Amino acid sequence: DAKTTQPTSMDCAEGRAANLPCNHSTISGNEYVYWYRQIHSQGPQYIIHGLKNNETNEMASLIITEDRKSSTLILPHATLRDTAVYYCIAPLNSGGYQKVTFGTGTKLQVIP
Amino acid sequence: DAGVTQSPTHLIKTRGQHVTLRCSPISGHKSVSWYQQVLGQGPQFIFQYYEKEERGRGNFPDRFSARQFPNYSSELNVNALLLGDSALYLCASSGLANEKLFFGSGTQLSVL
Repeated sequence: DAKTTQPTSMDCAEGRAANLPCNHSTISGNEYVYWYRQIHSQGPQYIIHGLKNNETNEMASLIITEDRKSSTLILPHATLRDTAVYYCIAPLNSGGYQKVTFGTGTKLQVIP
Repeated sequence: DAGVTQSPTHLIKTRGQHVTLRCSPISGHKSVSWYQQVLGQGPQFIFQYYEKEERGRGNFPDRFSARQFPNYSSELNVNALLLGDSALYLCASSGLANEKLFFGSGTQLSVL
């Protein structure tokens, strides 16, 4: 699975857009980029994933660069409930299984 | 629909004992993965099972074992517990082996 690099922490004002970057320069052509978040003491929650094209769902938007070496998760209107650790991962899919490696993620603090 | 359920939610053991953690996946999901999360770090991959077969194994000692039952529920067993095994153990399920993961709330294991 491709190594991902994220900033350790970020702050965002409530109501503003939160833009969380992720570098995955070693990603291979068939590896998707996934984003999960983990609120304190809970299991990680799936947010969004993509391969090449930008994606949007009810939670967030995912912007992937054309060379696929980096991506940005956008929370359009951050709320206090969005305070969490956000993980960017690029799982290895091989032999019918998926190896998911989580790094330390980005701790997003939404400020009132 | 019920999400991924794990039991017990909390557990206290002493060094040298063994422990069994249980996981019930979302109905219809055939893949179950186990993760260990030490405080301050991201989840670390332990095992993945799909259709009752082990499909992947992380870098954990042989003291860790798991199995998946015909109803797709799973158990994680850890023998000869060490202090360093104290962690949050997370179970995740997915429909296929390489799809997005749905996590349970975890079992908090404390080894004294």
